Amino acid sequence: NAGVTQTPKFQVLKTGQSMTLQCAQDMNHEYMSWYRQDPGMGLRLIHYSVGAGITDQGEVPNGYNVSRSTTEDFPLRLLSAAPSQTSVYFCASSYLGLGYGYTFGSGTRLTVV
Amino acid sequence: QQPVQSPQAVILREGEDAVINCSSSKALYSVHWYRQKHGEAPVFLMILLKGGEQKGHDKISASFNEKKQQSSLYLTASQLSYSGTYFCGTDLIQGAQKLVFGQGTRLTINP
Repeated sequence: NAGVTQTPKFQVLKTGQSMTLQCAQDMNHEYMSWYRQDPGMGLRLIHYSVGAGITDQGEVPNGYNVSRSTTEDFPLRLLSAAPSQTSVYFCASSYLGLGYGYTFGSGTRLTVV
Repeated sequence: QQPVQSPQAVILREGEDAVINCSSSKALYSVHWYRQKHGEAPVFLMILLKGGEQKGHDKISASFNEKKQQSSLYLTASQLSYSGTYFCGTDLIQGAQKLVFGQGTRLTINP
């Protein structure tokens, strides 16, 4: 049981480049989400999904796209990377409904130069 | 909408107690607590649902006061392994499940 798997673990991008951060879970969780973590800012919600084909915006969605074609996968796309997107990105998943905590992936550390 | 945690940082000696508070200006339906060690992912500790219940395991417990829109995390007889940053996450819309997290409380336990 792998839990939540994120790839890559580290990435350096040049301003204007695009890339996709991968997230996969094998726990059959309906709910998946992406957070970014910056020093002193805690975790901020980017996008989330309550099931295949359903996505919605979080607190800081600008500059990011998501899709959910399967229950297992929830990739995050950076359309045109900016230095302000330098951060640590975490994917999290859980069962739907009250009483379930999140399982987080190990994170992707992204630097945009 | 982000919940406010206090204090921002705590330094304790092993065996001492700590309380971390999480407050919101909006009605709460659930409160999650997570611990994150440096360079690692946050790890789920517990969840409290609307109803003012208190939960806990081992020497870590939490309470949820829905009237005051706040939750408190209690760490008693702290151990070195308790060091890390603690986050509360609040579900501002019942059943929506998306969490908004506080800015974190850094807990340092010294021998």
